[in-house]
Amino acid sequence: KAGVTQTPRYLIKTRGQQVTLSCSPISGHRSVSWYQQTPGQGLQFLFEYFSETQRNKGNFPGRFSGRQFSNSRSEMNVSTLELGDSALYLCASSPRASGSRTGELFFGEGSRLTVL
Amino acid sequence: KNEVEQSPQNLTAQEGEFITINCSYSVGISALHWLQQHPGGGIVSLFMLSSGKKKHGRLIATINIQEKHSSLHITASHPRDSAVYICAVSSSGGGADGLTFGKGTHLIIQP
Repeated sequence: KAGVTQTPRYLIKTRGQQVTLSCSPISGHRSVSWYQQTPGQGLQFLFEYFSETQRNKGNFPGRFSGRQFSNSRSEMNVSTLELGDSALYLCASSPRASGSRTGELFFGEGSRLTVL
Repeated sequence: KNEVEQSPQNLTAQEGEFITINCSYSVGISALHWLQQHPGGGIVSLFMLSSGKKKHGRLIATINIQEKHSSLHITASHPRDSAVYICAVSSSGGGADGLTFGKGTHLIIQP
């Protein structure tokens, strides 16, 4: 069974640009969640999608958005990039929604974004 | 909002030692996750538990719901166990704010 696939793995952008990151979950998983990891803040929850609906959203500005398609693939978008958006962005898929007692997480390798 | 505290932040031990990493949280949860992250970024889910104890190989995870506390134990530690171990919780009642993470425990096992 293929794992969670994130693309691109590495990217460099400049301030003010926007970026779209993609996450393909494990086949059959309907929940996809996104996280930001920085050296200063550690891991922080961005949002979670389940069956194309956003279920949860973390404390991030509106520049961070996401969506999920009918095949459960998900994208996240960051507009008007700032230097502080440089981070490792991780997605995880799960057969169950968060809050479920059976929702084990399977993480992708992450997309490392550098904003210059 | 749940607060998650891990201890210790850093731990260096000799190969073969018994390792314990602790995690405390502030409000009720539906599940607690133990994650392992090696240099380079990849995260692996070690355990997800909501009560009792789970064992996988040399790893054991326990949770005490009343005490709001969980521990991750590594028996017969090995240099390949060197990694960052992260505790994360899903708040009960639907998890409106998703997962909350601890800051991680950086473990180094010396040969």
